[in-house]
Amino acid sequence: DTAVSQTPKYLVTQMGNDKSIKCEQNLGHDTMYWYKQDSKKFLKIMFSYNNKELIINETVPNRFSPKSPDKAHLNLHINSLELGDSAVYFCASSQDLGGEGETQYFGPGTRLLVL
Amino acid sequence: TQLLEQSPQFLSIQEGENLTVYCNSSSVFSSLQWYRQEPGEGPVLLVTVVTGGEVKKLKRLTFQFGDARKDSSLHITAAQPGDTGLYLCAGASAVSNYQLIWGAGTKLIIKP
Repeated sequence: DTAVSQTPKYLVTQMGNDKSIKCEQNLGHDTMYWYKQDSKKFLKIMFSYNNKELIINETVPNRFSPKSPDKAHLNLHINSLELGDSAVYFCASSQDLGGEGETQYFGPGTRLLVL
Repeated sequence: TQLLEQSPQFLSIQEGENLTVYCNSSSVFSSLQWYRQEPGEGPVLLVTVVTGGEVKKLKRLTFQFGDARKDSSLHITAAQPGDTGLYLCAGASAVSNYQLIWGAGTKLIIKP
């Protein structure tokens, strides 16, 4: 059973296009996250949702818009894609928001390449 | 701003050797976690340490949390090719509202 799943795994698209990445977790967790991992492997938090509400919104362009239809899903829509958006995007979930030693469970990542 | 610095950034050694990687900060953390990320996959939690001076062992991996809870180390004994991956440390504290602060990672390659 896949705990945190993302689709698609690979996404190649042209600059200026709009695309979405979907994420689902079957762990019954209350909190979900989107991370961006750049070519240097640095993992940067983008968004955090707790019980479908936005908790953390780091400084990301407003071309990125997360949507959480329910606790088990957190999708990421990106408008007007730019070359610099090329990266691996990870979805993750945890039982609750923060707290000492809260484990985050990661999806397999979506490799986005903008041409 | 809380930061976690990992060193070395990259390490390539022969199978059977021992190694230590470090995760350092000038800030105090309530807990610190180590994750391993294999190529093409997401990070997976290895261990969480919460007490200053705490040592945890996971087979050939030994994790230590500094006494002041500002740093941590990961020691691997007799490294195996299966240990190859990106090792990430992440810390949480009340200052960051327990949002995980991530290090940039140590890329480890174990050559057969």
